[in-house]
Amino acid sequence: NAGVTQTPKFRVLKTGQSMTLLCAQDMNHEYMYWYRQDPGMGLRLIHYSVGEGTTAKGEVPDGYNVSRLKKQNFLLGLESAAPSQTSVYFCASRDGGNQETQYFGPGTRLLVL
Amino acid sequence: AQRVTQPEKLLSVFKGAPVELKCNYSYSGSPELFWYVQYSRQRLQLLLRHISRESIKGFTADLNKGETSFHLKKPFAQEEDSAMYYCALRVTSGSRLTFGEGTQLTVNP
Repeated sequence: NAGVTQTPKFRVLKTGQSMTLLCAQDMNHEYMYWYRQDPGMGLRLIHYSVGEGTTAKGEVPDGYNVSRLKKQNFLLGLESAAPSQTSVYFCASRDGGNQETQYFGPGTRLLVL
Repeated sequence: AQRVTQPEKLLSVFKGAPVELKCNYSYSGSPELFWYVQYSRQRLQLLLRHISRESIKGFTADLNKGETSFHLKKPFAQEEDSAMYYCALRVTSGSRLTFGEGTQLTVNP
């Protein structure tokens, strides 16, 4: 199993450009999550999904959109990137049971100039 | 809304010394508490959770509901323990984790 993978690993954008981050998991997990990691602020939840075709807002959803068209994939979109979105983005997934832990991807470093 | 606080952003100890990473939470119900660790250039991974009452890599953490704390402890720190540690909370039966700000632990030789 590859676990949770993220594409791309690193990207540089100019302000106003758009991009999509892809998260894929091969563990048949129901739940998937997108976080951003910033120094001194820990991990903050952007959006999450509790199943194929569903999405929900997390703590910091503004400026991002997501889609979960297939169970194994969770896409994070930036329609018009801003410097404040410079961060490291982590995807995670977990099974639906109450005690299941989250499994994280390796992260995507995004720099918005 | 629930909240997790890790008061120390940076913590430095010497090898062989005891280490305690503090975690406090605010939630009116009975939460599930976790510690996640991120070693350099690696992804986040679960270290331990209070439900399991286990010791992983010599680390333990006890949930203190009276003090609303879930501090992570190890009696003798090792250099390989150097990493970023995150405390996290999940509302029982909830689908989301709330993370603290993280503590960067450095164990010096």
